[in-house]
Amino acid sequence: AQSVTQLDSHVSVSEGTPVLLRCNYSSSYSPSLFWYVQHPNKGLQLLLKYTSAATLVKGINGFEAEFKKSETSFHLTKPSAHMSDAAEYFCVVSDTGSYIPTFGRGTSLIVHP
Amino acid sequence: NAGVTQTPKFRILKIGQSMTLQCTQDMNHNYMYWYRQDPGMGLKLIYYSVGAGITDKGEVPNGYNVSRSTTEDFPLRLELAAPSQTSVYFCASTTGSTNEKLFFGSGTQLSVL
Repeated sequence: AQSVTQLDSHVSVSEGTPVLLRCNYSSSYSPSLFWYVQHPNKGLQLLLKYTSAATLVKGINGFEAEFKKSETSFHLTKPSAHMSDAAEYFCVVSDTGSYIPTFGRGTSLIVHP
Repeated sequence: NAGVTQTPKFRILKIGQSMTLQCTQDMNHNYMYWYRQDPGMGLKLIYYSVGAGITDKGEVPNGYNVSRSTTEDFPLRLELAAPSQTSVYFCASTTGSTNEKLFFGSGTQLSVL
């Protein structure tokens, strides 16, 4: 069975400081992992995905995530936050052979000037 | 390509009324999903379909019905609307490969009063 836990419901940072959004997963097989972003009153957009190639995945807008199998984690990072990064972020897991992605509860990123 | 199109964007229903949320995709995707999003709860799967004529329940199917008569269309029917169905609804589609991203519609904000 697959599941995903986003460890923080809210993360608050100052503009220009690093961002860390934490995600742990549980998967029976080799998972595919995704991060999606949702800006206020918008739909969901893919930030990046891991699909068993390189463990460090680069996405759009300067975000990246590292797949750590030993820690069952897929944390999202960005070196320097921008005001436009303020949004809801979702970690998603999908087992190999499963066509039902499982969403985390989301982390709200707040960026202060 | 239009991608995934959802209608309506907003709707207010009275308790006991019924309505259909429309979802159409023009990418020839076999897999389609309906999610509801409630604050702090992430996205919960209502129903999904792996192809025309095939549908199955997700995590929270009670009070909803779906049909999939064509590859393109996946309408969600609410019968006897209840306040607990106040939510934002998203339709999504994908090719079905577990490492492929979901394409989302822009969402329907539904209030049941």
